[in-house]
Amino acid sequence: AQSVTQLGSHVSVSEGALVLLRCNYSSSVPPYLFWYVQYPNQGLQLLLKYTSAATLVKGINGFEAEFKKSETSFHLTKPSAHMSDAAEYFCAVSGLGANSKLTFGKGITLSVRP
Amino acid sequence: GAVVSQHPSRVICKSGTSVKIECRSLDFQATTMFWYRQFPKQSLMLMATSNEGSKATYEQGVEKDKFLINHASLTLSTLTVTSAHPEDSSFYICSARDRRRGSSGANVLTFGAGSRLTVL
Repeated sequence: AQSVTQLGSHVSVSEGALVLLRCNYSSSVPPYLFWYVQYPNQGLQLLLKYTSAATLVKGINGFEAEFKKSETSFHLTKPSAHMSDAAEYFCAVSGLGANSKLTFGKGITLSVRP
Repeated sequence: GAVVSQHPSRVICKSGTSVKIECRSLDFQATTMFWYRQFPKQSLMLMATSNEGSKATYEQGVEKDKFLINHASLTLSTLTVTSAHPEDSSFYICSARDRRRGSSGANVLTFGAGSRLTVL
């Protein structure tokens, strides 16, 4: 069984400040991990993914995440927030197999203050 | 890159009617498509897995007679909400796996933009 925990429902940062969105996972097998972003009334856009290669993963829009097996974490960071980063962010986990399904966390809303 | 198109993006219908939502892979063939449901301010819940040419596999608690899924070709899957009621109002999102990526699993999914269903 797999699950993802995203603590909190809302993070607010000032423009230019560090963004840190936390994600912890539980998996009985080596996981693939993902971060997706969703803008209002839109589908999901993949930000980045960990697929057992480098533990520090760089994604689009300046985001990156580090896989830490010892902490079962995959936190998302961005050094400097931009107003356009305001959105809903989902962490997700899957197994490695061809029929693996994505299991999503409950999501977290990022607000960026001017 | 891979693109998945969902249609309609928004639909409003009367209670008791049926609504069909289409999910198309535009530039690739999709052996597997997934349908999700998302309530406001909540996460995506997997409803069913749709494999081309075979019956869909529904998640526990999802009524297969209520949510009819057809995956008749490698580029099209449809979700029909039958006899819709206000509690079926939700945001429905599909995703598709590129056939060319073989057994690469969930790391090759492309998501559609979603379809918002409102049942009056």
